[in-house]
Amino acid sequence: GEDVEQSLFLSVREGDSSVINCTYTDSSSTYLYWYKQEPGAGLQLLTYIFSNMDMKQDQRLTVLLNKKDKHLSLRIADTQTGDSAIYFCAEKESGYSTLTFGKGTMLLVSP
Amino acid sequence: DTGVSQNPRHKITKRGQNVTFRCDPISEHNRLYWYRQTLGQGPEFLTYFQNEAQLEKSRLLSDRFSAERPKGSFSTLEIQRTEQGDSAMYLCASSLGLGLAQSTFTDTQYFGPGTRLTVL
Repeated sequence: GEDVEQSLFLSVREGDSSVINCTYTDSSSTYLYWYKQEPGAGLQLLTYIFSNMDMKQDQRLTVLLNKKDKHLSLRIADTQTGDSAIYFCAEKESGYSTLTFGKGTMLLVSP
Repeated sequence: DTGVSQNPRHKITKRGQNVTFRCDPISEHNRLYWYRQTLGQGPEFLTYFQNEAQLEKSRLLSDRFSAERPKGSFSTLEIQRTEQGDSAMYLCASSLGLGLAQSTFTDTQYFGPGTRLTVL
């Protein structure tokens, strides 16, 4: 079965770059997503990448995909205190509509 | 449209009681999903609908759980005879679901704020 793993915690200083990593096992994954969850709230879609792409940039966010190693990363440039949240990596397997999520990475940004 | 909405936002109930949650998707979306999230975990898929048809159910969805989407718009999730292990955040999501081959279309899911259930 599919499995998505993330490191649990990352702490950075305001203004630094943050890099959140994710590994997945399903080689038939078609789309990979990053969602953000603030305390007590639902999930906010940040960005996604199609599996035939290596990189996608969207303002302060850069997604890198290494399909050979099944490794996905999210880089947040100029991290702000408002970026403090839990970040979830999720994959959509070919032929399925549902998402499989990792356990989330808690990002703490200190002033 | 203001996005996916869920009601209630919080529900506290006693063990053995029945509870029902409602989800209103983004208006033009024909797919609707239910996920459950427990503390420290990512969301886990429960079930999903395309229009009014329930197309897939997870093994997590025990017989005490039932979901409906009678007119292909809003959906309800009912839990009968609640147990303490049912305490979780119940998340609803919707997507456009244009009916194209699933592997060639991102069909991005947009989530609601969730309903937090506490079973005492």
